[in-house]
Amino acid sequence: DARVTQTPRHKVTEMGQEVTMRCQPILGHNTVFWYRQTMMQGLELLAYFRNRAPLDDSGMPKDRFSAEMPDATLATLKIQPSEPRDSAVYFCASGLFSGEDQPQHFGDGTRLSIL
Amino acid sequence: AQSVAQPEDQVNVAEGNPLTVKCTYSVSGNPYLFWYVQYPNRGLQFLLKYITGDNLVKGSYGFEAEFNKSQTSFHLKKPSALVSDSALYFCAVRDYGTGGFKTIFGAGTRLFVKA
Repeated sequence: DARVTQTPRHKVTEMGQEVTMRCQPILGHNTVFWYRQTMMQGLELLAYFRNRAPLDDSGMPKDRFSAEMPDATLATLKIQPSEPRDSAVYFCASGLFSGEDQPQHFGDGTRLSIL
Repeated sequence: AQSVAQPEDQVNVAEGNPLTVKCTYSVSGNPYLFWYVQYPNRGLQFLLKYITGDNLVKGSYGFEAEFNKSQTSFHLKKPSALVSDSALYFCAVRDYGTGGFKTIFGAGTRLFVKA
């Protein structure tokens, strides 16, 4: 089965450091989403792209977070500088949205700990 | 704006008994509804969807969901629970306001199946 691949699976770093998370969507999917999951807030949508163009990043703290898709096989989420409150599991999901009825396919996440 | 509510944080059921995980929704227009499951240290996995047609939708792992338009509900059901069904379950609705690409997830319901 085709899968969404996220790297790294775990990341521990100190406050103030730059963090880059990567996602390889399923080949042929035209929409990519970034989510953050915490116990307190649940699943939050940070940003999403269609055909590599950003459609909505309103869920993302603009001063420190950035999301890009340099090509169709790679999506990145960067945090600079990182803060302890950024500790969470970050998920990437992709989908083929030829219509509204298609589900999203999730990667297994990057567990981020900021000390 | 579309929204989805999962009124129960946790559901406990004995193995072999039927289970129900509740979901209610609010949409303008026709609802596109989904159920996802999340196992520990994994991403969300698609279970089933309702787009149109029969009110009873069958999905993966023996799960089914009943769409009720008058009650605006989409409850997840299984006739006989397994211990391996213990996981976090998310109900979701497609958000038309963003061209159909954005999905609104509920807060999740944790299912515990006791042997």
